[in-house]
Amino acid sequence: GQQVMQIPQYQHVQEGEDFTTYCNSSTTLSNIQWYKQRPGGHPVFLIQLVKSGEVKKQKRLTFQFGEAKKNSSLHITATQTTDVGTYFCTPRFGNEKLTFGTGTRLTIIP
Amino acid sequence: NAGVMQNPRHLVRRRGQEARLRCSPMKGHSHVYWYRQLPEEGLKFMVYLQKENIIDESGMPKERFSAEFPKEGPSILRIQQVVRGDSAAYFCASSPMGASNQPQHFGDGTRLSIL
Repeated sequence: GQQVMQIPQYQHVQEGEDFTTYCNSSTTLSNIQWYKQRPGGHPVFLIQLVKSGEVKKQKRLTFQFGEAKKNSSLHITATQTTDVGTYFCTPRFGNEKLTFGTGTRLTIIP
Repeated sequence: NAGVMQNPRHLVRRRGQEARLRCSPMKGHSHVYWYRQLPEEGLKFMVYLQKENIIDESGMPKERFSAEFPKEGPSILRIQQVVRGDSAAYFCASSPMGASNQPQHFGDGTRLSIL
């Protein structure tokens, strides 16, 4: 079946430190999307990666898609308190429904 | 431009009652998705609808749950004879098309509590 694993499940970092979350799939993906959910909020779309080896940046956020299109990562440089939340990868297997990973919950220690 | 609107934001029901959750997609969006989120967990896909059609209901429990998206009006997720285990946040999302490369826009969710 289509398995998605996201690690780590939790990450506590000091404000200003970097943060990375990884998403791994057992099968090749058509694309991958990343969402952020603030505590008590709803998921918000961040980015979509489509091409093998693709790298996209949004200010302090860097998204990568693996060469084999089976894994992806999100890296945040110099975290800020506004980065708090749960980051979900949602691999797309060519159908319409989103398969959410378990998410990585990021907490920031001021 | 209004986003995805869900109501009510909070819903309390007693065991055995019915719960109706409503979702109005973003303007111009004709594809609606429902997800369930238990505390401290990720979102689980339930159902995908297009106007008047259920496209994929592979995540819907076989009993007590139903969904519709009529030609006019919001999409409705209906839970009959609710049980404690139905307590969760239910999110609706919409997209303009159903292709897998479309981002989904989420509503604020309905927090359902079963007494």
